[in-house]
Amino acid sequence: QSVLTQPPSVSGAPGQRVTISCTGSSSNIGAPYDVHWYQQFPGTAPKLLIYGDNNRPSGVPDRFSGSRSGTSASLAITGLQTEDEADYYCQSYDSSLSGSRVFGGGTKLTVL
Amino acid sequence: QVQLQESGPGLVKPSETLSLTCTVSGGSISSYYWSWIRQPPGKGLEWIGYIYYSGSTQYNPSLKSRVTMSADTSKNQFSLKVYSVTAADTAVYYCARDRHSSNALDIWGQGTMITVSS
Repeated sequence: QSVLTQPPSVSGAPGQRVTISCTGSSSNIGAPYDVHWYQQFPGTAPKLLIYGDNNRPSGVPDRFSGSRSGTSASLAITGLQTEDEADYYCQSYDSSLSGSRVFGGGTKLTVL
Repeated sequence: QVQLQESGPGLVKPSETLSLTCTVSGGSISSYYWSWIRQPPGKGLEWIGYIYYSGSTQYNPSLKSRVTMSADTSKNQFSLKVYSVTAADTAVYYCARDRHSSNALDIWGQGTMITVSS
């Protein structure tokens, strides 16, 4: 059972907007510690997609954005494209777990 | 650009020790933190711990009793040992650069699959 809770799956049609939620608690997202998002394609390593709640590393399209409110965070993808189909993970820090980086369970995005 | 490459045995017998190494190229391990993360087949990501280039460490409390990490600046490598492995330790193991101030993992290795089986 993951410390951060994500929906197992979301879906959307090309061109649509989808959001993926990440729910934590007062010892992680609500503390507030930074939230990061990773994108993972099958058989490959995760890639940092969003860091520090809503910052994109160089090369990440501005279709991807992050936000947070209280003990939750969200990843939004606008103008959905078929190549966005992947697993997405949120990650933060938890002060109750001795320096632990904690992950959500992951969300499978299907582009219909 | 900085690249990370994991290396390991592929197959480990139950109760034995798993040893992995991450080699960093295109940059120095000095002045950075480095994390290990694993992913069991079909499951999510689990942070194992991190090491600073100077040798200080922090481990996931759930694995702390069975894990040690070390760093070798002369070889630009850092390593992971997991003791007394069981089938539950079967996973893809990743190394990653850890931006300690924000705790983001910004550069990842490609991962190496470790199977625990007799």
